[in-house]
Amino acid sequence: DAKTTQPPSMDCAEGRAANLPCNHSTISGNEYVYWYRQIHSQGPQYIIHGLKNNETNEMASLIITEDRKSSTLILPHATLRDTAVYYCIAGDWAGNMLTFGGGTRLMVKP
Amino acid sequence: DAGVIQSPRHEVTEMGQEVTLRCKPISGHDYLFWYRQTMMRGLELLIYFNNNVPIDDSGMPEDRFSAKMPNASFSTLKIQPSEPRDSAVYFCASRPGLAGGWQETQYFGPGTRLLVL
Repeated sequence: DAKTTQPPSMDCAEGRAANLPCNHSTISGNEYVYWYRQIHSQGPQYIIHGLKNNETNEMASLIITEDRKSSTLILPHATLRDTAVYYCIAGDWAGNMLTFGGGTRLMVKP
Repeated sequence: DAGVIQSPRHEVTEMGQEVTLRCKPISGHDYLFWYRQTMMRGLELLIYFNNNVPIDDSGMPEDRFSAKMPNASFSTLKIQPSEPRDSAVYFCASRPGLAGGWQETQYFGPGTRLLVL
């Protein structure tokens, strides 16, 4: 599976959009980009995934560049409860063999 | 639905003892996963099952670790004998089958915090 690179930490003001970047320059053509988050002391939680098109659901939007070498997760109106570690993962279509890296620790501040 | 259930939530044991972690997946889910999370190594996939059959156990660290899934509603991860370096949070996750080619997500349990003294 392709390796992903994320900044170790980011801050965001409550109510503002949080934009979390992810580099996956070695992603293969059939690998998907998955985003999970882990709130302190809980198990990871699925957010969104995509292959090449931008995706949106009730939690977030995923913007994937045309060359698929990077993506951005957007939380449109961050709340304090969005404080968590966010993992960007390049995985197979089945989403079974997920390799979690270091993630980005997002701190949403009042 | 109650979600993925793991027990115990916390376990403290002494080196050399056998440890058994338990997981009840979400009803109807065909896949079950065991992960381990430590500060040093992050979140690692240990093994996963499909329809109670182990599919990939390449993440299992060594022979001291074993996992079983005797039926669709129960799985165990056993460490025998346990060592201090096994101290970690162990997560179980489950997901539905791959119907229609659409990916389903993994649903994680709350984890078991294991401390081996």
